[in-house]
Amino acid sequence: GAVVSQHPSRVICKSGTSVKIECRSLDFQATTMFWYRQFPKQSLMLMATSNEGSKATYEQGVEKDKFLINHASLTLSTLTVTSAHPEDSSFYICSAFLSTDTQYFGPGTRLTVL
Amino acid sequence: SQQGEEDPQALSIQEGENATMNCSYKTSINNLQWYRQNSGRGLVHLILIRSNEREKHSGRLRVTLDTSKKSSSLLITASRAADTASYFCATDTSASKIIFGSGTRLSIRP
Repeated sequence: GAVVSQHPSRVICKSGTSVKIECRSLDFQATTMFWYRQFPKQSLMLMATSNEGSKATYEQGVEKDKFLINHASLTLSTLTVTSAHPEDSSFYICSAFLSTDTQYFGPGTRLTVL
Repeated sequence: SQQGEEDPQALSIQEGENATMNCSYKTSINNLQWYRQNSGRGLVHLILIRSNEREKHSGRLRVTLDTSKKSSSLLITASRAADTASYFCATDTSASKIIFGSGTRLSIRP
């Protein structure tokens, strides 16, 4: 069964609103989670590393004030897309790090901004 | 940022034929993984090969790794319609980040 869940699986919102996406590790604790974004017919691009109890680290070109990450517990990381615009429409995928050889990916969240 | 490139970008073959996809990466790695993604869906982990391994098999999948050339290949034998998907290689980097290649879109013709 799934070991990492994401909620919601799909969300449609109006331009200018904020959207929160949750990523949960179900059977294990994850001090480190990662957030990816995938545009249609493209690969997954790493956005940021979410660290429990500390600030997230963002990849180059990713606006930290636009994509707020909170890793409040060992099983939950949230990504908030603030003031969403149509160009933020994408497939957002999280992963939870367990060990060097083991990282579990969530099923993804499809965001559509109208 | 992406770790590397995959080729071909797209591949269309007849059912029953073998499909080969190649992946090149840029930095040293601990391991390399291959994933499948059906259209609009999540990732399915296929196989992991460690940096000290050269070849690995799993069912109809065969993966090779050449660390001197920083490249890997995925061979799917006796392809089936259900193999139609996008395939990504992914390498781990420092800080446990997994970076994906550009992907290959595989289409299996009946």
